[in-house]
Amino acid sequence: AQSVTQPDIHITVSEGASLELRCNYSYGATPYLFWYVQSPGQGLQLLLKYFSGDTLVQGIKGFEAEFKRSQSSFNLRKPSVHWSDAAEYFCAGGGGGKLIFGQGTELSVKP
Amino acid sequence: DGGITQSPKYLFRKEGQNVTLSCEQNLNHDAMYWYRQDPGQGLRLIYYSQIVNDFQKGDIAEGYSVSREKKESFPLTVTSAQKNPTAFYLCASSRGGENTDTQYFGPGTRLTVL
Repeated sequence: AQSVTQPDIHITVSEGASLELRCNYSYGATPYLFWYVQSPGQGLQLLLKYFSGDTLVQGIKGFEAEFKRSQSSFNLRKPSVHWSDAAEYFCAGGGGGKLIFGQGTELSVKP
Repeated sequence: DGGITQSPKYLFRKEGQNVTLSCEQNLNHDAMYWYRQDPGQGLRLIYYSQIVNDFQKGDIAEGYSVSREKKESFPLTVTSAQKNPTAFYLCASSRGGENTDTQYFGPGTRLTVL
C-alpha cells in the first residue's frame, strides 16, 4: 500500500541554524511528492513539489527538497531558519488521483 | 482574487444535529476534496469529486455526506451518525484529479460538538 511517513513529530532548532525535515514514501511507481506548511488554525500552503527531472527541487521561502529514490526519501531543507518558519510541515504523495499525507512535523524555533 | 473560501471559520454543534460546512472556489478547478485533521494524525480524506454531479468516498466517509451540484461548490454535511465530529476540516481543489495536479487549500473550519 502507498504510504508517506514523517518520522519526527516535533523538532526544535535555533534561529539561524540549518533545518532538515524527513519524509519517507512507499510507492510502486514514480511518486509525485509535495511539501506543505501550515500555520496554527490555517490552511495548508504549498512549499514545493517533485514530479520528475532534477531531483533537487527549489520552493518558496528558501526551502528545497531532494528526492532520493534509493532511500525512498524526500527530505525538506533550509540553510538558515527564521522565527517565522515555526509551523507544522506536511509531506504528501500523489497516487490514484488522491494525496496521501504524512503525520506532520511540528517545527519550533528557538531565539 | 482567486482562491478557496470556507465558512464558517468556527462552528459549534449540539450532539445529534446535522451541520453543513461550506466550500467555494473560483479557480475554475474541476476537482475538489474534503479532509479531516486531528492532532498527530495528519490529514485524512473524507470525500472527493473530480467532476460536477459525481463524487467518491475517501478513507473516512462514514457519517459524512457531500454534494457537487456546481463546479465551484462542494459542501460537506456532518451528520449525527459521525461519532466523533470535533475536528478541523479542510477543503481543497485542484485543476483535475491527476496525481500531478497540485491541491490548493482553504483556510479551514473548526467544528466543535458541545
